[in-house]
Amino acid sequence: ILNVEQSPQSLHVQEGDSTNFTCSFPSSNFYALHWYRWETAKSPEALFVMTLNGDEKKKGRISATLNTKEGYSYLYIKGSQPEDSATYLCARRTGSQGNLIFGKGTKLSVKP
Amino acid sequence: GAGVSQSPSNKVTEKGKDVELRCDPISGHTALYWYRQSLGQGLEFLIYFQGNSAPDKSGLPSDRFSAERTGGSVSTLTIQRTQQEDSAVYLCASSLAPGSYEQYFGPGTRLTVT
Repeated sequence: ILNVEQSPQSLHVQEGDSTNFTCSFPSSNFYALHWYRWETAKSPEALFVMTLNGDEKKKGRISATLNTKEGYSYLYIKGSQPEDSATYLCARRTGSQGNLIFGKGTKLSVKP
Repeated sequence: GAGVSQSPSNKVTEKGKDVELRCDPISGHTALYWYRQSLGQGLEFLIYFQGNSAPDKSGLPSDRFSAERTGGSVSTLTIQRTQQEDSAVYLCASSLAPGSYEQYFGPGTRLTVT
């Protein structure tokens, strides 16, 4: 893995379904992994920042896990709601300073 | 408190014209970043300012792009002689300090070059 890759590119689910998506990244030079939610016409909203292998974070119905040795993170949404519809971005950081390197995102659509 | 603000929210310009995009970071945030998202692409880093240090310009795609940050606060991204491939959403983010994990994003400027 040379860059941050996210899958699937898009996802359509019914209200109440649980879902998950994947972020893959180079395991070398790892410093932190960020997840953002980006709704149309709004600012990207920070969900989680994870730094340690095995980290698990939870915010309401959304949770994330991190495996730095194999270079992946999963984002889970339990009982999807229409308001969860957004593009979910992950980004890696290689040091304490400087920019984030983003994946192309997973676009989630939740039908009522 | 106030978040990161950007102006304009939308800009349509003709090919060859210059444009300026503005970012007002969160007060007290010393680090400021510009990113852009072109159609079908991920967010792409452009430039990073930290305090009075020389900016990291490594992400600027060409010498038509420049940015400045006056007084350690407001930043302006300038694109000269715009091209159609410059069409994108330009996002600004700020963070409290370079070692701070969180980057807070503005709502972006959607630039369309016709």
